Amino acid sequence: RKEVEQDPGPFNVPEGATVAFNCTYSNSASQSFFWYRQDCRKEPKLLMSVYSSGNEDGRFTAQLNRASQYISLLIRDSKLSDSATYLCAVNRDSGGYQKVTFGTGTKLQVIP
Amino acid sequence: EAGVTQFPSHSVIEKGQTVTLRCDPISGHDNLYWYRRVMGKEIKFLLHFVKESKQDESGMPNNRFLAERTGGTYSTLKVQPAELEDSGVYFCASSRYQTGAVEQYFGPGTRLTVT
Repeated sequence: RKEVEQDPGPFNVPEGATVAFNCTYSNSASQSFFWYRQDCRKEPKLLMSVYSSGNEDGRFTAQLNRASQYISLLIRDSKLSDSATYLCAVNRDSGGYQKVTFGTGTKLQVIP
Repeated sequence: EAGVTQFPSHSVIEKGQTVTLRCDPISGHDNLYWYRRVMGKEIKFLLHFVKESKQDESGMPNNRFLAERTGGTYSTLKVQPAELEDSGVYFCASSRYQTGAVEQYFGPGTRLTVT
């Protein structure tokens, strides 16, 4: 089983729709979590950290469920510009420093 | 503040040749990471420097890959001799901290094609 798993998609949604992605992780010792956005042929860019209490940044909401070992990203009122691949990243302590593992990413295509 | 930069942006080489990739992290970031993404696969960790020391090189595929970070500033990743399966995008990332919630900032990547 992979340490971090995501549904690769693609998710094709109309503009204005609400879409949610999940990312599951297998290591219960994982400590911190992030969502990155990667546009085609570009580098990943940090979208938001995921806090235990859940956090919101505009149209984006991230949540963490430690009991079921997954994180989620909710995008409300989707825009064409939200089309990208969304990567989750999971950090765990490895000998006193943080080791990051990425999921394969979920591709989102917002259509007019 | 300048971001992470990488050079070159693209490299096309023949099997058996040598290529050296360079990464300049964000100023003040002690932590530097190399990753590789092969088409259709996830981003895979290669190694992690803390300043000039290799903290973790468990992701390096084999001894054809050599990473250095002399002086704890920029880093190079050399592939010698290159094989076809080395093709992919090599990303470098840096972070200020190595404990707690480590936020990494990525460079634009070097797209390596081995023919």
